[in-house]
Amino acid sequence: EVQLLESGGGLVRPGGSLRLSCAASGFTFSNSAMSWVRQAPGTGLEWVSTFTTSGDITYYADSVKGRFTISRDNSKNTLYLQMNSLRDEDTAIYYCAKLTTHWGQGTLVTVSS
Amino acid sequence: DIQMTQSPSSLSASVGDRVTITCRASQGISNSLAWFQQKPGKAPKSLIYAASSLQSGVPSKFSGSGSGTDFTLTISSLQPEDFATYYCQQYNSYPFTFGPGTKVDIK
Repeated sequence: EVQLLESGGGLVRPGGSLRLSCAASGFTFSNSAMSWVRQAPGTGLEWVSTFTTSGDITYYADSVKGRFTISRDNSKNTLYLQMNSLRDEDTAIYYCAKLTTHWGQGTLVTVSS
Repeated sequence: DIQMTQSPSSLSASVGDRVTITCRASQGISNSLAWFQQKPGKAPKSLIYAASSLQSGVPSKFSGSGSGTDFTLTISSLQPEDFATYYCQQYNSYPFTFGPGTKVDIK
């Protein structure tokens, strides 16, 4: 059974940093492109970033480019999202996803002073 | 960037109704389209990928069709557990983009 378990969310002040983790199991993690998607309160889904398996290329939404960094540790079957210079508008539930197939339960990030 | 639109934004339907949701891309995306279902307070669930392929374990009352710019999600006979918000998403090119969602509630 595929499982994706996010952790690392919490309350952080504007300008602060946070690192999210996503522990994966039940599939061949190293062969899978993995993504982060977020959902601000009461709104729709927003794609944030993807780590591909094609030359380990990464992609980011313009709204987070230069502030967020996606990475992975295939030896630990874990995906990460390092979030720096956080803003109020980054407040959201962050989902780890093997897009088009499986999603984690999400972790809440609240940016507030 | 590819913009995704959905119609309607919401609909009210009865148990047993056939429901169709439309998703349109601002430019051609071949069949690189997925559909997701999300219930309040829950994570999204994958329903359809490659426009018309049913995700493993998803009941056959769900079906998808389309290619290029126009796509549809159909629920053949709406059941109480199907009341939710449905999103389409294109993964043809980065940045990946989602539609704004269609909320299906009880009439």
